[in-house]
Amino acid sequence: QSVLTQPPSVSGAPGQRVTISCTGSSSNIGAGSDVHWYQQLPGTVPKLLIYQSTNRPSGVPDRFSGSKSGTSASLAITGLQAEDEADYYCQSYDSSLREVFGGGTKLTVL
Amino acid sequence: QVQLQESGPGLVKSSETLSLTCTVSGGAISNYYWSWIRQPPGKGLEWIGYIYYSGSANYNPSLKSRVTISVDTSKNQFSLKVRSVTAADTAIYYCARYFSGRGFDPWGQGNLVTVSS
Repeated sequence: QSVLTQPPSVSGAPGQRVTISCTGSSSNIGAGSDVHWYQQLPGTVPKLLIYQSTNRPSGVPDRFSGSKSGTSASLAITGLQAEDEADYYCQSYDSSLREVFGGGTKLTVL
Repeated sequence: QVQLQESGPGLVKSSETLSLTCTVSGGAISNYYWSWIRQPPGKGLEWIGYIYYSGSANYNPSLKSRVTISVDTSKNQFSLKVRSVTAADTAIYYCARYFSGRGFDPWGQGNLVTVSS
């Protein structure tokens, strides 16, 4: 059981918008810790998708965006494409546990 | 750009010590934290710990008693040792660079380690 809670799965049709939530607490996200998001395509290495809650590394399409409010963060994907089907993980710093990952969310493109 | 590559045995016997090395190429190991992260088959990511190039290390509290991370700046390498392994330590072990405010990036390709009885 991770201290960062993500829904196990989300789904959407091509072209739609989906969001993935990451709920923490006052010892991590609520304390102002940065939230980062990773995309893990099937059979591949996790890749940094969003850093500092809202920033995209070079090469990440602007269809991916992040936000943070209070003790939660969200990843939004607009214009859903088949190649977006992957596992997504949030990650933050916790004052007790140090670096923590969410349990991961499997995105299915219908 | 910086690239990381894990190396080490893919099979370790239960109760023994798992040892992996990560070689950093394309850049110096200085001025960053270097981390180990693992992923049991079909499961999520677990942070194991990281070490600053100067040698200061921090660990996941749940693994701290069994884990040691060390760094060799002369070889641009850092290493992981996990003692007294069990089947629960079977996982893909990734090394990654950590930069405060930027997360873990890049990652190595991963090294699957299976603990056998």
